[in-house]
Amino acid sequence: DAGVIQSPRHEVTEMGQEVTLRCKPISGHDYLFWYRQTMMRGLELLIYFNNNVPIDDSGMPEDRFSAKMPNASFSTLKIQPSEPRDSAVYFCASSLMAQFSSGNTIYFGEGSWLTVV
Amino acid sequence: KNQVEQSPQSLIILEGKNCTLQCNYTVSPFSNLRWYKQDTGRGPVSLTIMTFSENTKSNGRYTATLDADTKQSSLHITASQLSDSASYICVVSRNTGGFKTIFGAGTRLFVKA
Repeated sequence: DAGVIQSPRHEVTEMGQEVTLRCKPISGHDYLFWYRQTMMRGLELLIYFNNNVPIDDSGMPEDRFSAKMPNASFSTLKIQPSEPRDSAVYFCASSLMAQFSSGNTIYFGEGSWLTVV
Repeated sequence: KNQVEQSPQSLIILEGKNCTLQCNYTVSPFSNLRWYKQDTGRGPVSLTIMTFSENTKSNGRYTATLDADTKQSSLHITASQLSDSASYICVVSRNTGGFKTIFGAGTRLFVKA
């Protein structure tokens, strides 16, 4: 299996522009997670889906952020409009079971490095 | 307050030496604790997962311990290799109706030849 695939790997955009990050989870995984990682705040869970349905979006920082999962093999994280403080690495991850399930392994993608100038 | 604290913040060791990383948490109710390894520029990779009843879990040269009474975990790396240079992140999950995970800030390990 190719693992969790994210695109783009790197993006530099101007403040105010719309940014769309994409993710293809591992086939057969029922859970998909979006994380953000910064030096200041470390790793943060933004939102997760179960069977394409958003379950908990309490980590989404504000209304400028939105995530969708139209089908089992694709998800997007959108920032509109983007701001410099959104600069971070955004990770997508997937797993067979819920994150709190013991014995469950969560597989991360390689991340999308976003810089907003 | 649910928190995960890791120490040290960074560590430099010589190749071949052992080291131990610490994770203290105040998360409740506790579900499980995970250690991840994150190489520079890559996504985190799971090393171990432990539940309340597990005291030790090994993955090759990595051994994690958990003391649920004192709410402490450690990750011991034996005979370190240059490839062990990475950030090690401790993550604790809460056993709630939904689920919440609390991430530690990580320990940055440098293994030198």
